[in-house]
Formats: sequence, C-alpha cells, structure tokens
Amino acid sequence: SQQGEEDPQALSIQEGENATMNCSYKTSINNLQWYRQNSGRGLVHLILIRSNEREKHSGRLRVTLDTSKKSSSLLITASRAADTASYFCATRTGGSYIPTFGRGTSLIVHP
Amino acid sequence: KAGVTQTPRYLIKTRGQQVTLSCSPISGHRSVSWYQQTPGQGLQFLFEYFSETQRNKGNFPGRFSGRQFSNSRSEMNVSTLELGDSALYLCASSLEGPEAFFGQGTRLTVV
Repeated sequence: SQQGEEDPQALSIQEGENATMNCSYKTSINNLQWYRQNSGRGLVHLILIRSNEREKHSGRLRVTLDTSKKSSSLLITASRAADTASYFCATRTGGSYIPTFGRGTSLIVHP
Repeated sequence: KAGVTQTPRYLIKTRGQQVTLSCSPISGHRSVSWYQQTPGQGLQFLFEYFSETQRNKGNFPGRFSGRQFSNSRSEMNVSTLELGDSALYLCASSLEGPEAFFGQGTRLTVV
C-alpha cells in the first residue's frame, strides 16, 4: 500500500507557469523526498526534506512540509518543457531504510 | 562516477518461463533495492540487499527472489512468469543515507 499519495494525478501547464504538486502521507515520517521520472526511465532524486524542516529550496524547486497535516508540496517555478515528467514523493518511517512511493503526478509542460 | 546499471533494458518472455535481471550499483554502495513499477500499482518495493544479506522484503510471492554478490552487484529472478509480471523493474542503490540512486530499469514483457 502507498504511504504517500500525490495530488493531482495529472497536471498540464504552459511553459513559464508554476507547477504545484502535493503529497499526503499517513504515518509519522523521518524525511520526505521528491523524485522525478522521465517516461519509462529511472527515478532521479530531486530534494529531501527532514521532518524537522518546514521549507527547502533547490534551484527552481521549493518543497514545504507540514507534519501536522501530514502533507508536503513541491513547487516548480517558471516551468520548462524539459520538466515534463512524473513526480513522486517518497517517505521513510521509523527505522526503515526503504522509501515508500506514492503513485505520482504526471506533469506536462507545453512549449 | 558510473551510475546504477541495469541489464538488459528490454526483455520479452513467455508465460511459465523464468527471468534473471541484473543490477550493478554505484561503486561503494552496499545497499541495493528492487522495485516493480506498473501503471495500476505504481512503485512497489520488492526487496533490499545489504552486504549480501536480504534486509527487507516486500509483499511479493516466492516466485520473486534475489541475491547480492560480494561486489554488491545484485540479481533478481522471477520464476514461472505470469502476464501480470509485465512491468518496469527498477533497481536503486544507496550509501545508507536516505537518497536512492536508480538505474534506467528493465522493461519486462510477458506474452
């Protein structure tokens, strides 16, 4: 079963717009990560936010974490066509080394 | 530094056959995890190996097995293939930290 669930399932925007994806999870976490997957390929790690952090930035990416609501959001600013991909959140709980992935948000950025 | 390498990239097998997939982790990474990705179930954790020992196992039938060699390379085997085993199989390696580095995957089609 998925620990995290991304919302929306699909997002279609124009180049230059911002894209926001959300992730909700069920149990307390140690950290939350976001990954990107280009069609049919492996996942690429984007950013990690720890349970004691509220916001983190990396280039055009901004991640927030609200542990009281058990949710996180990924904001991609000034989207580019190359950002077209699926985005997954992954959580680790307790002593587990294994990240549990959500089903992902499919982002399409139109040039 | 070479990334995670999975071979083969594509595979077509017949129901009832068995298949072996290979994963070479990033040099120095001792943890290797395997995931099955399908449109319906998303990313499902299969198992994780660390220093040749299976450390974690997902909820898959015994037809799915794996092993890790002393050089950290890992193989997974699926016996008595079923149509539902058609999926993208992803391998990820890590250095005991939370970030996982994924290979490009092996696309298995069972006919």
